[in-house]
Amino acid sequence: KAGVTQTPRYLIKTRGQQVTLSCSPISGHRSVSWYQQTPGQGLQFLFEYFSETQRNKGNFPGRFSGRQFSNSRSEMNVSTLELGDSALYLCASSLPSSQETQYFGPGTRLLVL
Amino acid sequence: QKEVEQNSGPLSVPEGAIASLNCTYSDRGSQSFFWYRQYSGKSPELIMFIYSNGDKEDGRFTAQLNKASQYVSLLIRDSQPSDSATYLCAVTLPRGATNKLIFGTGTLLAVQP
Repeated sequence: KAGVTQTPRYLIKTRGQQVTLSCSPISGHRSVSWYQQTPGQGLQFLFEYFSETQRNKGNFPGRFSGRQFSNSRSEMNVSTLELGDSALYLCASSLPSSQETQYFGPGTRLLVL
Repeated sequence: QKEVEQNSGPLSVPEGAIASLNCTYSDRGSQSFFWYRQYSGKSPELIMFIYSNGDKEDGRFTAQLNKASQYVSLLIRDSQPSDSATYLCAVTLPRGATNKLIFGTGTLLAVQP
């Protein structure tokens, strides 16, 4: 079974731009979560989607948004990029029940200049 | 108090020794506990999960959970240089239907040949 895929793998943007990241979950997984990883803050939860609905949201500004499509693929968008948004963005998928094991994709490394 | 705490290390052990990684959590209602391994520049990879008090063994890895003391540990027997990585402890919280993971900052393990 194919794993979680994320595109693109690397991105370079400038301040003020916006970016869209994509995630395709493991087949059969309907829950998709997004995390941001930085050296200073570690892994932090952004949001979780299930059945096209946001099920939970972390403590990030409104510039960070996401959505999920009917095929469970998910996208996250960051508008008005700031230097501090430079990070590894990780997508994880799991079965829809609560407390399920999450499997991570390879991540998208975003550099904001 | 952080929700999930780990000693950042580095924890240095000789090849063939037992590496012991520890994690404490603050929410007594936490239900599911996970250990992920992350190599430098890569995404987290699931090693083990544990839900019930006691020990759970998988090959060279043993996870131990003590809910009364609110700690979870990971033992790696016969440590190999390839085990050198950052080990992340993660817990799910009991509130609502969610797979949100709260991560510790990770412990860097270095296995010396």
